[in-house]
Amino acid sequence: QKEVEQDPGPLSVPEGAIVSLNCTYSNSAFQYFMWYRQYSRKGPELLMYTYSSGNKEDGRFTAQVDKSSKYISLFIRDSQPSDSATYLCLSGGSYIPTFGRGTSLIVHP
Amino acid sequence: NAGVTQTPKFQVLKTGQSMTLQCAQDMNHNSMYWYRQDPGMGLRLIYYSASEGTTDKGEVPNGYNVSRLNKREFSLRLESAAPSQTSVYFCASSGLAGGVDTQYFGPGTRLTVL
Repeated sequence: QKEVEQDPGPLSVPEGAIVSLNCTYSNSAFQYFMWYRQYSRKGPELLMYTYSSGNKEDGRFTAQVDKSSKYISLFIRDSQPSDSATYLCLSGGSYIPTFGRGTSLIVHP
Repeated sequence: NAGVTQTPKFQVLKTGQSMTLQCAQDMNHNSMYWYRQDPGMGLRLIYYSASEGTTDKGEVPNGYNVSRLNKREFSLRLESAAPSQTSVYFCASSGLAGGVDTQYFGPGTRLTVL
């Protein structure tokens, strides 16, 4: 079992929908949490990060961490076709950062 | 400022052939990484280098070797390629950005082993 679990999808939603992407992790030593976005045939790029439990907002994106349940979420409001990509969560700390498998998101017009 | 560059972009090998994937970064980062990405498996760490002169195994190191040539360059070598090594290979480097250790990825190398 990987230290960071993520449903690979695909997740298909209509334009304008609210999207929820989720990961769970098992290592209590993880201290920070990130979301990377990867477009087809490209390398991943950092989208958001957070250190603590709670919410962090950036435009249409909200990252949420619940350390008590070891649960990481990314919410996308008013989703757009340009949000279609694979979203990877990453957990890090004193260990080498660990990626989830990634969730493929498709936003159709 | 090119970030992380990788060569080649595409490669086709026959079983048993060898090759080296090259990676360079111009961000003065200490840490560098090699990942492979396969459908449904996500990014799996092959090797990493926390600083110039050091390398360590990741999750899937078998069949690979690495060299941290200097602070900028980190190469990945397949000594005897196997079809199971068909994958997309990503190099990354990491450094502090706004107080957060952030990984920056190259564009990837698509390798097919026949």
